[in-house]
Amino acid sequence: SSELTQDPAVSVASGQTVTITCLGDSVRRHYVSWYQQKSRQAPVVIIFGENTRPSGIPDRFSGSSSGDTASLTITGAQAEDEADYYCYLRDTDSKQGVFGGGTQLTVL
Amino acid sequence: QVQLQESGPGLVKPSQTLSLTCTVSGGSVSSGGDYWTWIRQRPGKGLEWIGSIYHTGSTSSDPSLRSRVSISVDTSENQFSLRLNSVIVADTAVYYCARDRRYYNPLTGEATTYIDSWGQGILVTVSS
Repeated sequence: SSELTQDPAVSVASGQTVTITCLGDSVRRHYVSWYQQKSRQAPVVIIFGENTRPSGIPDRFSGSSSGDTASLTITGAQAEDEADYYCYLRDTDSKQGVFGGGTQLTVL
Repeated sequence: QVQLQESGPGLVKPSQTLSLTCTVSGGSVSSGGDYWTWIRQRPGKGLEWIGSIYHTGSTSSDPSLRSRVSISVDTSENQFSLRLNSVIVADTAVYYCARDRRYYNPLTGEATTYIDSWGQGILVTVSS
């Protein structure tokens, strides 16, 4: 199955650490990438590969994976991190892309 | 940095065909390693992968849409296109075109893809 499951909503106090997870059988065989979407703008990639941040993405964002679960961690969340976060992978077996359902992050 | 721009009608009647074009600049739809991709986002909902085309012309699409979706590429215009047949109100969405880029790290052996470029999105409303 290529389905990816995310918690619909997560909250974190400003300055604290939060982890957003992405669960799916395909995660065992493929790297997940993570996207931030603010106010219905086009999404922006923040993590890809094992744990690579594109230029300009703060180092408080990091990614990891274990078994069927990929995780995005924000260490020291800031108000500007309030956004929707999506995981994504392209399953080379099925040749299909799939997004997680998205997690709405609230920074308190 | 590659740039993508969607174009097409913003209003389509039910049962008709939705047709969108994505114009690519700063990169080539003929280059190897890139999947030229369509994604949509229905109002208040998450991102939904529709399908993609590789530089060889090979296409793939979401099983739930496969019978209605066609993706093609025009290398002379550096564009790729989406056609969605027999649209219904539930096809109302912001449609994005994007580049899903292959990535390989020879040091670690990582091989994956990630979406590095997106169009701004175009709202298509299905309504009579």
